[in-house]
Amino acid sequence: DSGVTQTPKHLITATGQRVTLRCSPRSGDLSVYWYQQSLDQGLQFLIQYYNGEERAKGNILERFSAQQFPDLHSELNLSSLELGDSALYFCASSVGGGGYGYTFGSGTRLTVV
Amino acid sequence: SQELEQSPQSLIVQEGKNLTINCTSSKTLYGLYWYKQKYGEGLIFLMMLQKGGEEKSHEKITAKLDEKKQQSSLHITASQPSHAGIYLCGEVDSSYKLIFGSGTRLLVRP
Repeated sequence: DSGVTQTPKHLITATGQRVTLRCSPRSGDLSVYWYQQSLDQGLQFLIQYYNGEERAKGNILERFSAQQFPDLHSELNLSSLELGDSALYFCASSVGGGGYGYTFGSGTRLTVV
Repeated sequence: SQELEQSPQSLIVQEGKNLTINCTSSKTLYGLYWYKQKYGEGLIFLMMLQKGGEEKSHEKITAKLDEKKQQSSLHITASQPSHAGIYLCGEVDSSYKLIFGSGTRLLVRP
């Protein structure tokens, strides 16, 4: 157990639907990062939050949004889902925002049918 | 933007053999991370290298950052089936986020 908890582990949904992925960071970590891993795109950075505020943004689609709550857990919302959104979504956390000491969760596997 | 290229993309070796995975950057690396991912699972941190010429080991895995700090190699000695997975190198970019290479898929045949 890495200390970063992601739920659910698996999710199967239909095109056009909306889902929410949840991440609880390791105790004491203020930064949360979201990544998408698909077969043809590798591990792509989506977005980072630090202590509730958006810190950095990658190639995140407009249909996707995220937030970090006061208790530091984070949610990634994916809407108007398309088949191409099927992927593993990882959350990572770290103490600060400098990239050191990343700890990854075990991921949420999203399948859009 | 900084890019990391890994080679080879995939590798199949017989158990007991040694192997090397390379990670090359287009710019100077100020911190290079190696992670391992079991297929379909999360990433496990292996080691971080910062100084040119630095070498670190974790069990039978050794990683080195070259003097010019633009390439890192990961070497596995006497590979075992438990070494199978995806090896990813990563580095922190100017926005302080970790970006990754495309990964090397390793399969070890018993």
